[in-house]
Amino acid sequence: QVQLVESGGGVVQPGRSLRLSCAASGFTFSAYGMHWVRQAPGKGLEWVAVISYDGSSKYYADSVRGRFTISRDNSKNTVSLQMNSLRAEDTAIYYCAKDKAVGWSPLDYWGQGTLVTVSS
Amino acid sequence: DIQMTQSPSTLSASVGDRVTISCRASQRIPSWLAWYQQKPGKAPKLLIYRASSLESGVPSRFSGSGSGTEFTLTISSLQPDDFATYYCQQYNSYLYTFGQGTKLEIK
Repeated sequence: QVQLVESGGGVVQPGRSLRLSCAASGFTFSAYGMHWVRQAPGKGLEWVAVISYDGSSKYYADSVRGRFTISRDNSKNTVSLQMNSLRAEDTAIYYCAKDKAVGWSPLDYWGQGTLVTVSS
Repeated sequence: DIQMTQSPSTLSASVGDRVTISCRASQRIPSWLAWYQQKPGKAPKLLIYRASSLESGVPSRFSGSGSGTEFTLTISSLQPDDFATYYCQQYNSYLYTFGQGTKLEIK
């Protein structure tokens, strides 16, 4: 069965960096685009970034562009999110999720999320 | 960027009720719309994609309709398990966006 397991969350000071990882299993990882979506405490869902199946295309929400970098390693079935220059407003649960199909598509499987807290 | 606006923000209903949640896109997205259900402390779950296609395993009391800029999620007869928050999401462009959510509460 499809599994997505995020790791790397924690408490970090404003301005510092953090790297999240998502380990995937149960599907052909190299065939699907992968996303990061976040949810601030008590708030709604915010799409963060997507990477294409082969890593050649990457897109970001305006709120993180230039600070966050998404990447993937198809040999290890992992997708990562490098977060630099963190701000208090980046505090959220970060979920990784997979595309349902090739091309732009909804997100059919999600991980359980990892909490990032940006605080001094 | 495409903005998604859901209404209402909160909906109070009883078991057995028929409920409708609306989602409006700031520009045309043909049928590239999905609906998700989220329960407290859990990841979102895909319910509907391509505006009206039911995801495998999702009960048939859930249905979606609409195209262009106006979309609707309908639950035909509310069950206790359906009280949750619902989000629409557009995937017409590579900058995906979610609606702000509709919390479905027990009346």
